[in-house]
Amino acid sequence: GQNIDQPTEMTATEGAIVQINCTYQTSGFNGLFWYQQHAGEAPTFLSYNVLDGLEEKGRFSSFLSRSKGYSYLLLKELQMKDSASYLCAVDAGNNRKLIWGLGTSLAVNP
Amino acid sequence: IAGITQAPTSQILAAGRRMTLRCTQDMRHNAMYWYRQDLGLGLRLIHYSNTAGTTGKGEVPDGYSVSRANTDDFPLTLASAVPSQTSVYFCASSVGGYTFGSGTRLTVV
Repeated sequence: GQNIDQPTEMTATEGAIVQINCTYQTSGFNGLFWYQQHAGEAPTFLSYNVLDGLEEKGRFSSFLSRSKGYSYLLLKELQMKDSASYLCAVDAGNNRKLIWGLGTSLAVNP
Repeated sequence: IAGITQAPTSQILAAGRRMTLRCTQDMRHNAMYWYRQDLGLGLRLIHYSNTAGTTGKGEVPDGYSVSRANTDDFPLTLASAVPSQTSVYFCASSVGGYTFGSGTRLTVV
């Protein structure tokens, strides 16, 4: 079957660094996405990885290892506004229909 | 319009009533999707359309129908609403990554 796992909840302190992990088992792989979703709002795109390695974009970085079926999202210099749910999704090559994880709810405390 | 527009923003609906959730995009994306999001269950695909004139069923299509008469519009219809259809509904379009509308919060009572 197709499966994506990520932790349900995480807590971190303002100014710190947090790593949100995502493991996947899918029949195919065309890329992995990370989305951010604030409470009561729509998901918004953060990053896309299709090749192994680290992609850096400001305070956010995303890493992919295709051989391990593993990705992480790294958030640096955490701010209160980073409190949100972070969704991992995989394009398994099924007509662009993404497979979604349940999301990791991150709480940033002062 | 910039991106995807959904209407209404929220709605309280009596069980048994028919309702259409509207979704319009101005990005000329071929692929469009309807999801529902429920606490603990994440995003679940209801129906999708890869291009105008074609539609397909997702994970949870029962009780819902869609049409795709043109590239821009992808309405979702609940023929006879039931309380289990209480949810937040997101429309999305894709050319690679997804762009989501702001959602419709539907309560069926």
